[in-house]
Amino acid sequence: NAGVTQTPKFRILKIGQSMTLQCAQDMNHNYMYWYRQDPGMGLKLIYYSVGAGITDKGEVPNGYNVSRSTTEDFPLRLELAAPSQTSVYFCASGEGDEQFFGPGTRLTVL
Amino acid sequence: QKEVEQNSGPLSVPEGAIASLNCTYSDRGSQSFFWYRQYSGKSPELIMFIYSNGDKEDGRFTAQLNKASQYVSLLIRDSQPSDSATYLCAGPGGNQFYFGTGTSLTVIP
Repeated sequence: NAGVTQTPKFRILKIGQSMTLQCAQDMNHNYMYWYRQDPGMGLKLIYYSVGAGITDKGEVPNGYNVSRSTTEDFPLRLELAAPSQTSVYFCASGEGDEQFFGPGTRLTVL
Repeated sequence: QKEVEQNSGPLSVPEGAIASLNCTYSDRGSQSFFWYRQYSGKSPELIMFIYSNGDKEDGRFTAQLNKASQYVSLLIRDSQPSDSATYLCAGPGGNQFYFGTGTSLTVIP
């Protein structure tokens, strides 16, 4: 099993550009999450999903969108990139209380 | 808003010592807590979880939960240089998880 995979690993965007961060899991988990982690800070939940077709906002959803058309995939969309979105983005999946994290995407917006 | 706070750190301990990491939380209804370890540049990994008051031991790690004081801690016995990492505590709230800001631990050989 690959677990949770994320692409790309690194990305530099210009202000106003758009992009999609990809996340996939092969553990058949219903729950999936997107977090951002700023330097020296903990994880902040952006969006989460409890199953295909069901998504909900977390603590910091502004500037992001998600979709969950399949159990495996949970992409995160940035429509108009801003410098405040410079961060490391982690996707996670889980059942019950344990979460398994992907390797992260380091995004810089200039 | 549910909050999980980690106020201590950074923490340095000599090899072989006990490292004590602490976390407080605001939601009295919280029933379970989780400790994640995050090496620099890596993703968090779960090392301990605790659901009930008291202590839970797993090898060199002991998690302690005190619901009356809204306090959860992680003790690492016989600390090793490989334990040097940031430790995050987390508590669930509904379908979400709330993470503390983390405590950086350095174990000095």
